[in-house]
Amino acid sequence: GESVGLHLPTLSVQEGDNSIINCAYSNSASDYFIWYKQESGKGPQFIIDIRSNMDKRQGQRVTVLLNKTVKHLSLQIAATQPGDSAVYFCAETPSYNQGGKLIFGQGTELSVKP
Amino acid sequence: KAGVTQTPRYLIKTRGQQVTLSCSPISGHRSVSWYQQTPGQGLQFLFEYFSETQRNKGNFPGRFSGRQFSNSRSEMNVSTLELGDSALYLCASTKGTRNYEQYFGPGTRLTVT
Repeated sequence: GESVGLHLPTLSVQEGDNSIINCAYSNSASDYFIWYKQESGKGPQFIIDIRSNMDKRQGQRVTVLLNKTVKHLSLQIAATQPGDSAVYFCAETPSYNQGGKLIFGQGTELSVKP
Repeated sequence: KAGVTQTPRYLIKTRGQQVTLSCSPISGHRSVSWYQQTPGQGLQFLFEYFSETQRNKGNFPGRFSGRQFSNSRSEMNVSTLELGDSALYLCASTKGTRNYEQYFGPGTRLTVT
């Protein structure tokens, strides 16, 4: 499959453990913050979003936390599974009403050991 | 429902040539965005088209252009290719609402020699 050979921070966890992936964003005026997952050979896949007026949002096995004071976003994955192995990107969008421009962070490679 | 499709999947071109990449969005999606992915720069936004009009543009030179057709299919063109244009080019589509929830295609891997 496709591999873009990114030189990324790597997080290695044991299957069943919880994972925490962090991201620092740049634009205080961004309206939405989003997490995407990219598996080898595939395009990024939407995981979860959080609006700038929220601090926490939960999905299925995932939780996103937003700390606007320090411009920090995190993704928590509960009971990490081998299928969670991928590169995870945070992204921000300047404004909901201004179309589909996403600004992506560097990415973190998550490796799950069985 | 079929996902976003991109053609071709792989392409090798020579410096100075031009290239056209194609993207077919999910049926019913009216917005198509293009991104360039490289090891050094990561994922960078190129431009977005909505209803055949460019709605947003990233910080790329004029050699990069795009268009969208009435059926929402989109093409991007890169003229006078440079070695640094080697990358994975991704397109993504949305309905036009919740624009941050984008559906990506598998990408076109462009290699410039």
